[in-house]
Amino acid sequence: DVQLLESGGALVQPGGSLRLSCAASGFSFSNYAMNWVRQAPGKGLEWVSTISGNGGNTFYADSVKGRFTVSRDNSRTTVYLQMNNLGVEDTALYYCSKVRTLLKGPFDNWGQGTLVTVSS
Amino acid sequence: SYVLTQPPSVSVAPGKTARITCGGDNIGTKDVHWYQQKPGQAPVLVVYDDGNRPSGIPERFSGSNHGNTATLTITRVEAGDEADYYCQVWDISGDHLWVFGGGAKLTVL
Repeated sequence: DVQLLESGGALVQPGGSLRLSCAASGFSFSNYAMNWVRQAPGKGLEWVSTISGNGGNTFYADSVKGRFTVSRDNSRTTVYLQMNNLGVEDTALYYCSKVRTLLKGPFDNWGQGTLVTVSS
Repeated sequence: SYVLTQPPSVSVAPGKTARITCGGDNIGTKDVHWYQQKPGQAPVLVVYDDGNRPSGIPERFSGSNHGNTATLTITRVEAGDEADYYCQVWDISGDHLWVFGGGAKLTVL
């Protein structure tokens, strides 16, 4: 079975940094693009970032471009999200998800999320 | 950027059919995916590429997509179907590669 386990969420002050991790298992990790999606408290889903299977292509929402960096270590079957210069608007539950097949395919498996709270 | 519009809420009696819409400019030319999210849980893919079901999703869930509206249809609605439902499309032209609708809360009366 596919498993995605996020970690790294915490309470951080505005302007601070945090690195999220998503440990994956149960599938051929390097063959699939991975995504980060966030959900602010009581709000809807917002796509944050996508990284291709070999890590050669990365994509970001404009709201995080220049502040967040997605990466992956296929030997550790883990994807990361480095978040810098965090603002209160970044407070959310961050989900890791796997694409079903193609880069532009749906997200067929999701982790349970890790909570990031940005507050002074 | 591309905008997907969903009704905030949809109500249906048990055993009836629920239809949740997702509006977007020429959305019929895009592949639409639908997710179900129950309180405190991660989203679950219930329909992809307009009308396909992942394994394990009941046949009661189906989808269609024409013109400016995509629709998720749930027949013989059960209490366990009560959840938030989100539509999603790929939009390479905007500021978000992936766009989600605002979500529709399905209430089973």
